Amino acid sequence: EDKVVQSPLSLVVHEGDTVTLNCSYEVTNFRSLLWYKQEKKAPTFLFMLTSSGIEKKSGRLSSILDKKELFSILNITATQTGDSAIYLCAVGLSGTYKYIFGTGTRLKVLA
Amino acid sequence: EPEVTQTPSHQVTQMGQEVILRCVPISNHLYFYWYRQILGQKVEFLVSFYNNEISEKSEIFDDQFSVERPDGSNFTLKIRSTKLEDSAMYFCASSSQGARGTEAFFGQGTRLTVV
Repeated sequence: EDKVVQSPLSLVVHEGDTVTLNCSYEVTNFRSLLWYKQEKKAPTFLFMLTSSGIEKKSGRLSSILDKKELFSILNITATQTGDSAIYLCAVGLSGTYKYIFGTGTRLKVLA
Repeated sequence: EPEVTQTPSHQVTQMGQEVILRCVPISNHLYFYWYRQILGQKVEFLVSFYNNEISEKSEIFDDQFSVERPDGSNFTLKIRSTKLEDSAMYFCASSSQGARGTEAFFGQGTRLTVV
């Protein structure tokens, strides 16, 4: 069965800290890995990764994929209270139209 | 910035009633999806739709559910004879290519409460 696992399940940090969120997967026919940020309702897209070792960066957020070890990390540096959200990892598979989501990591950043 | 729009934002219905959840995908997108998220649980795939037909569906998407693209802009999810366990947040999403190629963009969701 295809599986996406995120860790930790929840995390509390202080503003200015750096956090690393993990997503590991066991799937057949991997195609892509996506990170989303879910605040109140809709998951909003952050990154899509398809190739190993190439870092994607957007401001204080960055992500990288390791297709050999089957995981990805999402880094957030200099965290702010506005980073508080659930971060979702999803995997797209070749040959299907669906994404498989992990349970998410709930991040709380304290002022 | 283009976005996926869903209506209503919240729907309360009696058990056994039919509900229709509506979505307007991003205009140049070709692939449409419904996902649901039961409170505290994972986002789960329900169905994908391409070229006016279902391209894939999950085990959750049984005969109680149907999807339709009645015109060039709307994409609907119909749930017949709702059950308590259908209570969830339902997300519509769209992408320019299938899950193989590009990211999906999600709407704000419809919170369905079955009482």
